[in-house]
Amino acid sequence: DIQMTQSPSSLSASVGDRVTITCRASQSIRRYLHWYQQKPEKAPKLLIYAASSLQSGVPSRFSGSGSETDFTLTISSLQPEDFATYFCHQSYSTPQTFGQGTKVEIK
Amino acid sequence: EVQLVESGGGLVQPGRSLRLSCAASGFTFDEYAMHWVRQAPGKGLEWVSGISWNSGSIGYADSVKGRFTISRDNAKNSVSLQMNSLRAEDTAWYYCAKGNGYAHEYNWYDSWGQGTLVTVSS
Repeated sequence: DIQMTQSPSSLSASVGDRVTITCRASQSIRRYLHWYQQKPEKAPKLLIYAASSLQSGVPSRFSGSGSETDFTLTISSLQPEDFATYFCHQSYSTPQTFGQGTKVEIK
Repeated sequence: EVQLVESGGGLVQPGRSLRLSCAASGFTFDEYAMHWVRQAPGKGLEWVSGISWNSGSIGYADSVKGRFTISRDNAKNSVSLQMNSLRAEDTAWYYCAKGNGYAHEYNWYDSWGQGTLVTVSS
């Protein structure tokens, strides 16, 4: 199975900060890497698909980059509604696997 | 608007069975793969199973292979997960998710249901 390692596991940031979350795959997954946001007691929501494509309706402050094994999710200016947990997901290989999550908290 | 509504969760004893269902609306159901993803309380996400548009291709996580069966009924716009020989470690929120294409491989999940809780305990 492909292991997905996210870092950091959690971070504290202030409104307006630039936030970067990384995801590393244990082998190449080309660009089959996707990012989700999950708020407490809610279902995950797709933010970025295929490494860098912004899902319809998602604010442009979210962006993704990377390929092969190293990927990044960036929030250019953190907003109050962005405090949540973020997961990366690879669909290059079955079983599809997720990162362990990064919790973004208010500083 | 895409809607996915799960049902069938509840409390079940170890070794027993449970069947989850997901009713879909707001899109052409038979053109998309569907998936089940679970999340143990306070934990991360785990893909459980995926099924292609015509049921021709199916995949399972190793942790459920041989115990869980995914199926779909395109006439009823629904996907199901039959869960047998349940274990305590199967306790989780189970989400139904829509894939982005016909095949279950290479998917991202662009819509999710609100989830149904399965608790396996004596």
